[in-house]
Amino acid sequence: SQQGEEDPQALSIQEGENATMNCSYKTSINNLQWYRQNSGRGLVHLILIRSNEREKHSGRLRVTLDTSKKSSSLLITASRAADTASYFCATRETSGSRLTFGEGTQLTVNP
Amino acid sequence: GAVVSQHPSWVICKSGTSVKIECRSLDFQATTMFWYRQFPKQSLMLMATSNEGSKATYEQGVEKDKFLINHASLTLSTLTVTSAHPEDSSFYICSARDYGSGPTDTQYFGPGTRLTVL
Repeated sequence: SQQGEEDPQALSIQEGENATMNCSYKTSINNLQWYRQNSGRGLVHLILIRSNEREKHSGRLRVTLDTSKKSSSLLITASRAADTASYFCATRETSGSRLTFGEGTQLTVNP
Repeated sequence: GAVVSQHPSWVICKSGTSVKIECRSLDFQATTMFWYRQFPKQSLMLMATSNEGSKATYEQGVEKDKFLINHASLTLSTLTVTSAHPEDSSFYICSARDYGSGPTDTQYFGPGTRLTVL
């Protein structure tokens, strides 16, 4: 079952603006990961943050994790048209090996 | 990074036929592979977890007799959709964990297979 909820479901911004997507989950996790999916394609791993970490950066990506609120956010700075895609958070539960995906945010960056 | 391939990338079949989808880890050994299904504009739903040399573990609500999974080697897992019907039309994505990469816990995804059942 899907445990993650993401908001917004859809986000449309102009090139150069920042995009923030949020993810909430329900169970205890080992780590939380963010993936990107272009339409009709497979997933690309973006960044992983462990349960004992609060913030992580990778290039134009910044991820935060608040385990007390069971939530995470993904910030994409200085967005580009090529960032247009669906973004999914996924949690690795402490109790098992499965990776459970959130509902996803469809990001559109207008040139 | 590690690569996971799927074959075919798309398939169209008639209702009642069976379709096999292959998933390969190209440059690492995958003890565990995962099969997901994704309907249009929806998230990925885990169907089953496949461990090399043993029976797959299916998620609740997934019919194991309809979705046959075989993980005969450390680099190959197959999903066979038996007696396919139009409601089985979906995007099927496999994934593999590279345990040899240490604590990175990276899970690599294949490019997906678009199944259309007429």
